[in-house]
Amino acid sequence: DIQMTQSPSSLSASVGDRVTITCRASQGISNSLAWYQQKPGKAPKLLLYAASRLESGVPSRFSGSGSGTDYTLTISSLQPEDFATYYCQQYYSTPVTFGGGTKVEIK
Amino acid sequence: EVQLVESGGGLVQPGGSLRLSCAASGFTFSSYWMSWVRQAPGKGLEWVANIKQDGSEKYYVDSVKGRFTISRDNAKNSLYLQMNSLRAEDTAVYYCARDFEDFWSGYYNYWGQGTLVTVSS
Repeated sequence: DIQMTQSPSSLSASVGDRVTITCRASQGISNSLAWYQQKPGKAPKLLLYAASRLESGVPSRFSGSGSGTDYTLTISSLQPEDFATYYCQQYYSTPVTFGGGTKVEIK
Repeated sequence: EVQLVESGGGLVQPGGSLRLSCAASGFTFSSYWMSWVRQAPGKGLEWVANIKQDGSEKYYVDSVKGRFTISRDNAKNSLYLQMNSLRAEDTAVYYCARDFEDFWSGYYNYWGQGTLVTVSS
């Protein structure tokens, strides 16, 4: 199975900050990577897929990049509604696997 | 509007069984791979199983193989997860999720609200 390692596991940031979350796969996944946002008590919400493609309706302050084993989610200017937990997920091979999550908290 | 509504969760003793259901609406259910994803309390997401459009292919995470069975009824627009020999570590919120596109994509743009399964004596 492909292991997905996210960092950091949590971070504190202020509204307007630029935030970067990284995800490393245990082997190359050829950009087969999705990012989700999850708020407490809610289902995950798809933000990006194919490493950098923005899901319909997702604000453009969210962006993704990377290749091979290393990927990044960037929030260019953190908004109050962005405080949540973010997960990466590889779908290069079955079983699809998720990173451990990054909790973005208010500083 | 796409909707996925899970049901069937609850409290069950170790070794017991439970059947989860997911009622789908707002899209052509028979055209999509469907999955179950779970989340233990305070933990991350774990994919559990998926099933092809016609039910001819099914895949499971190793920890549930031989205990859980995924199935679907396209006539009823419903997805199921039969869970047997339940263990404490199966305690989680179980989500049903739809693949992004009408072929295997492996990532999910529609999720249900989840149903909580608690395995405890």
